[in-house]
Amino acid sequence: EDQVTQSPEALRLQEGESSSLNCSYTVSGLRGLFWYRQDPGKGPEFLFTLYSAGEEKEKERLKATLTKKESFLHITAPKPEDSATYLCAVQAANNAGNMLTFGGGTRLMVKP
Amino acid sequence: GAGVSQSPSNKVTEKGKDVELRCDPISGHTALYWYRQSLGQGLEFLIYFQGNSAPDKSGLPSDRFSAERTGGSVSTLTIQRTQQEDSAVYLCASSPGPSNEQFFGPGTRLTVL
Repeated sequence: EDQVTQSPEALRLQEGESSSLNCSYTVSGLRGLFWYRQDPGKGPEFLFTLYSAGEEKEKERLKATLTKKESFLHITAPKPEDSATYLCAVQAANNAGNMLTFGGGTRLMVKP
Repeated sequence: GAGVSQSPSNKVTEKGKDVELRCDPISGHTALYWYRQSLGQGLEFLIYFQGNSAPDKSGLPSDRFSAERTGGSVSTLTIQRTQQEDSAVYLCASSPGPSNEQFFGPGTRLTVL
């Protein structure tokens, strides 16, 4: 059974204080690992897809990395507008349904 | 361009009533998914449509739940004889193909009294 665990559940940062969010996964062959951002009352917003260990992707203050067992979302010099819940999900290679298995999310709060 | 849209945005119903939730995917996207997000449960997969193939219903929690997709576009999720544990946000997503990133709609918040 595919499993995704995110840590920490909640993270409070001061504006400018860099940190990382963790996503550990167990999957029978990884097709892709996805990061989403979700604001209160809204649907998840797509950020990144990573396909193989060693891959990295960046967007503004965010950088996502991938190993064979986990992914990190690094946030550099965060701003209050980065406050949101960040979701990690995996898509298994043998998953005929192509559905995503999500972790519980990390709620990030950035204080000015 | 237009994203995934869902209606209604909020639905309050009484226990035992049937409800229908609608999803309009991004034009041209062949794959469509329904997920449910409950407090403390995270996002869980319900059903998947790909083109004209038979849907993958493996995530539906009971036979009270059903979904259809007409003309390869709009989808309707129906919950019959609603129960209080059905209260959640129901999210629809679409993607250009089965292995691509999924784009989510704003969700329908269902409250069963």
